[in-house]
Amino acid sequence: GQQLNQSPQSMFIQEGEDVSMNCTSSSIFNTWLWYKQEPGEGPVLLIALYKAGELTSNGRLTAQFGITRKDSFLNISASIPSDVGIYFCAGRQTDSWGKLQFGAGTQVVVTP
Amino acid sequence: DSGVTQTPKHLITATGQRVTLRCSPRSGDLSVYWYQQSLDQGLQFLIQYYNGEERAKGNILERFSAQQFPDLHSELNLSSLELGDSALYFCASSDRPEQGNYGYTFGSGTRLTVV
Repeated sequence: GQQLNQSPQSMFIQEGEDVSMNCTSSSIFNTWLWYKQEPGEGPVLLIALYKAGELTSNGRLTAQFGITRKDSFLNISASIPSDVGIYFCAGRQTDSWGKLQFGAGTQVVVTP
Repeated sequence: DSGVTQTPKHLITATGQRVTLRCSPRSGDLSVYWYQQSLDQGLQFLIQYYNGEERAKGNILERFSAQQFPDLHSELNLSSLELGDSALYFCASSDRPEQGNYGYTFGSGTRLTVV
């Protein structure tokens, strides 16, 4: 079952606002990734994090790999309507040979 | 287009039937992963193949099986279908996981509806 706890479950925000979401686990992960899924499509990789403490940006997106290796967060700054979608965190544990575990997702709705 | 091709896009079938979902990985990717996405369970890992060999198994039912062929395409077979098997089934691929690249590329999915 699900080992990653992702929150919040959904967010309704106005255009221009910042968005924050996070993922926590009781287990240590060696890799954290953040994906975005739009209706009718598969998830698309946004950011990959490979080291504890790592802070990585991709345009208006910033993600961090928590120091404890048990959490990660994603920030979206100055949201725009096309940020709408479901954002998933995913983590890989040691020796899982590529297998990722996914959080339940955060649904983001942006209103003009 | 992500480069990962899944067919069919939609499938409607009756309980008790058997279906086959097909996936062609991105060119050069050796690993294929199958995930099931349902409303109440999120993305659940089913099974992984690497260069034709099964590498990892997740919460895959005994009624489900998969294989990866020499040309690296993969098929997921679902049999004795039940209403609860209705879900989106995603295939993803990646290059060599042992080199640290864990960023999957997902296909667009197959939406299975069991009636």
